[in-house]
Amino acid sequence: DGGITQSPKYLFRKEGQNVTLSCEQNLNHDAMYWYRQDPGQGLRLIYYSQIVNDFQKGDIAEGYSVSREKKESFPLTVTSAQKNPTAFYLCASSITTGNGYTFGSGTRLTVV
Amino acid sequence: GENVEQHPSTLSVQEGDSAVIKCTYSDSASNYFPWYKQELGKRPQLIIDIRSNVGEKKDQRIAVTLNKTAKHFSLHITETQPEDSAVYFCAASKDGGSQGNLIFGKGTKLSVKP
Repeated sequence: DGGITQSPKYLFRKEGQNVTLSCEQNLNHDAMYWYRQDPGQGLRLIYYSQIVNDFQKGDIAEGYSVSREKKESFPLTVTSAQKNPTAFYLCASSITTGNGYTFGSGTRLTVV
Repeated sequence: GENVEQHPSTLSVQEGDSAVIKCTYSDSASNYFPWYKQELGKRPQLIIDIRSNVGEKKDQRIAVTLNKTAKHFSLHITETQPEDSAVYFCAASKDGGSQGNLIFGKGTKLSVKP
């Protein structure tokens, strides 16, 4: 589905739990990104990775963690330290930074 | 760092009219400016982009203009149709390395009334 797949589509988390959002791409893109989308806030960068085994914090990294062990995969863990995790999470990839992104279909996370 | 401001936040037009969305950016080194369309509940999709060596780019009913001196760029949609209704995001970035991440505006919700 567009070369970049996010799962699950919907996710419910109890307070105090860690949850992991999956992002897989088969576009052979070097760069991958995680954005958080809240109503009226646009898209805010959580983490990005330009290459395997390397990643950098974005503007709102607190309470999140990532890994990039494979070029195709960039999972995001929402930890219990994230105080307001309810949001729509979008993963994206690009050939390199400075180019247009291909987005996944998103994961809607809700804290219950 | 880069800051992108987008206006208006909401825009309502009649079918057939034109729509214009404007963005300003703060970093004069930014050189890539894409526009994304996000329909309700769906992923953002790239609809048009422009690089700083070009002043205008068209693709059928949509066009983007760039004014590097004023540091602003605009999306123009002509002959609007109901299926143009969506949230539109502008973005800016610089080539390469950690400078190349896209910084997004907060979005414009466009409603096209039939």
